[in-house]
Amino acid sequence: DAKTTQPPSMDCAEGRAANLPCNHSTISGNEYVYWYRQIHSQGPQYIIHGLKNNETNEMASLIITEDRKSSTLILPHATLRDTAVYYCIVRLPNSGSARQLTFGSGTQLTVLP
Amino acid sequence: EAGVAQSPRYKIIEKRQSVAFWCNPISGHATLYWYQQILGQGPKLLIQFQNNGVVDDSQLPKDRFSAERLKGVDSTLKIQPAKLEDSAVYLCASSRDREIRYEQYFGPGTRLTVT
Repeated sequence: DAKTTQPPSMDCAEGRAANLPCNHSTISGNEYVYWYRQIHSQGPQYIIHGLKNNETNEMASLIITEDRKSSTLILPHATLRDTAVYYCIVRLPNSGSARQLTFGSGTQLTVLP
Repeated sequence: EAGVAQSPRYKIIEKRQSVAFWCNPISGHATLYWYQQILGQGPKLLIQFQNNGVVDDSQLPKDRFSAERLKGVDSTLKIQPAKLEDSAVYLCASSRDREIRYEQYFGPGTRLTVT
């Protein structure tokens, strides 16, 4: 699987949009981009994933650049409960050991009141 | 649906002792994973099961760690004997097979402290 690069930490004001970048310059054509987050003392939680197109769900939006070498997770109106470590992961389609998730160190997002 | 259950939530043992963790995945989830998360790091996969068969245990320290998944449902992870560097949170996760929208569901983890 391709590796990802994320900033170690970011701050965001409550109510503002949080934009979390991820660099995955060695991603291959059939690898998906996944985002998980881990709130303190909890297990990671799936947020969103995408292949080429931008995606949106009830939690967040995912913007993938046209060359697919980077992406941005957007939390449109951050709340204090969004304070967590956010992991960007790239992985192959769903088969066998490819289901594995390889976590990096992630980005610690702190939402400030 | 009920989430992934793990027990115990916390465990403190002395080095060279043995410990076991239990995981009950979400009903119907064929794939089960055990991760180790050391403080300040992301989770690292130890072993992956599909039903009751091992898909990947390449990162499992087999000299001291063992895992099984009886009848393709519950799973136990054992450490014997424990070392100081085994202090970590042990996370269990499960997922369905054959889902277009793939995601893993994680339990709350077991925090192990080895003294």
